[in-house]
Parts: sequence; C-alpha cells; structure tokens
Amino acid sequence: RKEVEQDPGPFNVPEGATVAFNCTYSNSASQSFFWYRQDCRKEPKLLMSVYSSGNEDGRFTAQLNRASQYISLLIRDSKLSDSATYLCVVRHRDNYGQNFVFGPGTRLSVLP
Amino acid sequence: EPEVTQTPSHQVTQMGQEVILRCVPISNHLYFYWYRQILGQKVEFLVSFYNNEISEKSEIFDDQFSVERPDGSNFTLKIRSTKLEDSAMYFCASSADRDRGYTFGSGTRLTVV
Repeated sequence: RKEVEQDPGPFNVPEGATVAFNCTYSNSASQSFFWYRQDCRKEPKLLMSVYSSGNEDGRFTAQLNRASQYISLLIRDSKLSDSATYLCVVRHRDNYGQNFVFGPGTRLSVLP
Repeated sequence: EPEVTQTPSHQVTQMGQEVILRCVPISNHLYFYWYRQILGQKVEFLVSFYNNEISEKSEIFDDQFSVERPDGSNFTLKIRSTKLEDSAMYFCASSADRDRGYTFGSGTRLTVV
C-alpha cells in the first residue's frame, strides 16, 4: 500500500463550484498533515496545515480523521486561479527517520 | 515575503559529471531540505539538515549525493557522477520548525544528457 494516496483526478469544475479532495495515509504514527498546491512546473506552496479539530482558511476547509487515516480539503466558490495540483503531505517516522511524504497530487481545473 | 532562493534555475550536464545545486534558505530558518521531482511524478524527499549535519535521509540519498552548508547562508546539494535518471527538478526548502510547513525554492531543473 502506498504511503500517501490521493484521488487520481483530474477534477474539472465550473467557476463557483465546491470541490473536495480526499487523501489517505498508511502510517498510523503520522504526526503532521498539510495541503500544498503546485502550479505546473513550479514549486509546491503551502496552502494550509491540517489540525485534528479541522480548520478553515477563507474558502478552504481541511479535515483530519486520525482513526480512518484520512484527510480532506474542501474548496468553496472555486476560482479560475484555484487551478493547480493539490498535494497531500504527511510527516511521519520511517526507517530513515522523520520526513515529509508527498502524495501524488490531484489536479484541479476550474473552467470559466 | 521571505523567499528560498535557488541557483541555477536550469542546469544541463553530461552524464558522469558532477553538479552542485545551490540554495539560500530563509535567514532565520533552522531546518533545510532537498527534494526532487522527476517530470510527471511526485515530490520525493532526499535529505534534511539541521545544526550543521544531516538529520534524516531517504533511500534515494546514496553515496552519490552530499550536502553542505559552507557558510552561514548557502546550502548546497552535490551530485557526483550524474546519471540520466538524475534528471529532475530539485527543490530546496527550509522551515523554522520541523513540524511546520516548509517554504520551497523555485527549483533547479537538472537535465543530464
């Protein structure tokens, strides 16, 4: 089983739509969770950390379910500028120490 | 907003040559990282660096790779005897705290021919 899995995508949605991305992780000892966005051929940029109680930042809401080892990102009222690949990132300890593991990403295209 | 700066933005090198990728992390950050992303694939962890030594490294980070912080500002990744499969985007990142999200540089695209 892959360490971090995400919806394969791509998601093509109209402007104004609400879209949700799902992510699952395999290591139950994972400690920190993040969502990043990556534009084509650019660096990943931190979108938001994910806290156990869930958290919101404007149009973005992140949820964490430790029991199910599941993370989600909800984008409301999507804008053209939200088009990007969304990366689920999990920090855990493995045989090589603690490090951040990136999921493969889910591509979102917001259409006019 | 503080930035992580990487140079060069694009490096072309012949197979078997050594390359040095350079990074200037954010000045008050203490943790430094190198990641790579092969075109069309996911971002992969290479190494983390703290207090002037490697704190973690992945199975990818073998003897071909080394990192250095030669002065108070630069953080370098050296790849010895490059192979075709080393072609990728290499991202440097830094953070103030190991549990916080990282700030990534804009990357160096390495092409091995």
